[in-house]
Amino acid sequence: NAGVMQNPRHLVRRRGQEARLRCSPMKGHSHVYWYRQLPEEGLKFMVYLQKENIIDESGMPKERFSAEFPKEGPSILRIQQVVRGDSAAYFCASSPPQPLAYEQYFGPGTRLTVT
Amino acid sequence: TQLLEQSPQFLSIQEGENLTVYCNSSSVFSSLQWYRQEPGEGPVLLVTVVTGGEVKKLKRLTFQFGDARKDSSLHITAAQPGDTGLYLCAGDRGGKLIFGQGTELSVKP
Repeated sequence: NAGVMQNPRHLVRRRGQEARLRCSPMKGHSHVYWYRQLPEEGLKFMVYLQKENIIDESGMPKERFSAEFPKEGPSILRIQQVVRGDSAAYFCASSPPQPLAYEQYFGPGTRLTVT
Repeated sequence: TQLLEQSPQFLSIQEGENLTVYCNSSSVFSSLQWYRQEPGEGPVLLVTVVTGGEVKKLKRLTFQFGDARKDSSLHITAAQPGDTGLYLCAGDRGGKLIFGQGTELSVKP
């Protein structure tokens, strides 16, 4: 049973470019979450999605960041016009439906470096 | 303001010693998770505690959820070098996990 898959594992972008991070949840999981881990900081929640719905985006920066989880295919975290401060590890997690939605399983992460 | 405070932040011990990591909050959580993260990897879920006062054991690891569901502890008995890593507690807020800053554990042979 494959775990949460993320790709790419490493992504290098120049300032002003777009970054697209992909996440495929565990089989049977219908909830996806994105977290960011900045150097020397803890994991911070960004967004919580179900298929075709954004449930909670309270941790997403208001500009340049967007996330989707379409009916078919992986969840995508999109960062437009990247800046150096976006350099971080971005983790995706998935969980079963309620009432076990708090049991989140994490992928290996995408390390974004903005040059 | 850190909603979940973990202590200690760093811990370096010898193989065979016991240790306890604490996770404290002024807020109530419906559940609390403990994760372990190794460099370059994602956090791995160790345990979930849901009921106040609950105690769960995972081999040499014992997890406890406070009666008021505001705090938790992780106790490791007879630590081994393989236990080295970053231990994270996380409280559930309606699907959103709030993480502590982590405890970096180093077990020397």
